[in-house]
Amino acid sequence: EIVLTQSPDFQSLTTKDKVTITCRASQNIGRSLHWYQQKPNQSPKLLIKFASQSILGVPSRFTGSGYGTVFTLTINGLEAEDAAAYYCHQTATTPLTFGGGTKVQIK
Amino acid sequence: QMQLVQSGSELKKPGASVKISCEASGYTVSSYALHWVRQAPGQGLEWMGWIMPRTGETIYARAFSGRIVISFDASVSTTFLQISSLRADDSAVYYCTRSNEFDVWGQGTNVTVSS
Repeated sequence: EIVLTQSPDFQSLTTKDKVTITCRASQNIGRSLHWYQQKPNQSPKLLIKFASQSILGVPSRFTGSGYGTVFTLTINGLEAEDAAAYYCHQTATTPLTFGGGTKVQIK
Repeated sequence: QMQLVQSGSELKKPGASVKISCEASGYTVSSYALHWVRQAPGQGLEWMGWIMPRTGETIYARAFSGRIVISFDASVSTTFLQISSLRADDSAVYYCTRSNEFDVWGQGTNVTVSS
């Protein structure tokens, strides 16, 4: 099973800050890594697919990068509406797995 | 508009079974895999398994193998998740989601297992 390790677990930041969340895979997964945002009492929402591909309707301040075992989600210019949990997810092999999540709080 | 609409909340006793549904619309249902993911209270996301509607092929996570069945009824474009031998730690929100990128999600079904 591929283990995804996210860091940090929690971040408390102010608006306009740059946010960087890292996801490390226990094995090489190429670009089969996706990012989701989940606000309280809502379903997750796809932000980035295949490591760096943007999603229609997602603000351009959300970008992804990485390949192999290290991936990054960046939020350039944090906004109040970005307060949420963020999860990485790999689809290289079954069982499909998720990172443990990163909670982003706005000060 | 692509949508996945799930059935309502369930309250079950330990040892019972539950069957929840996920109706797809707004896209060619047979062309995309349909997955089930659960989230226990305050916890992260856990993949349970998937079905390819066109072929009926299923793959289950080992943690649930033997206890869950995922099925698809093409006549109503609906995927079902059945969980047997429910335990208290099966209490969670269960989501259906489409394709390997999980680009469309249902609204979630809350399942509570309590005596």
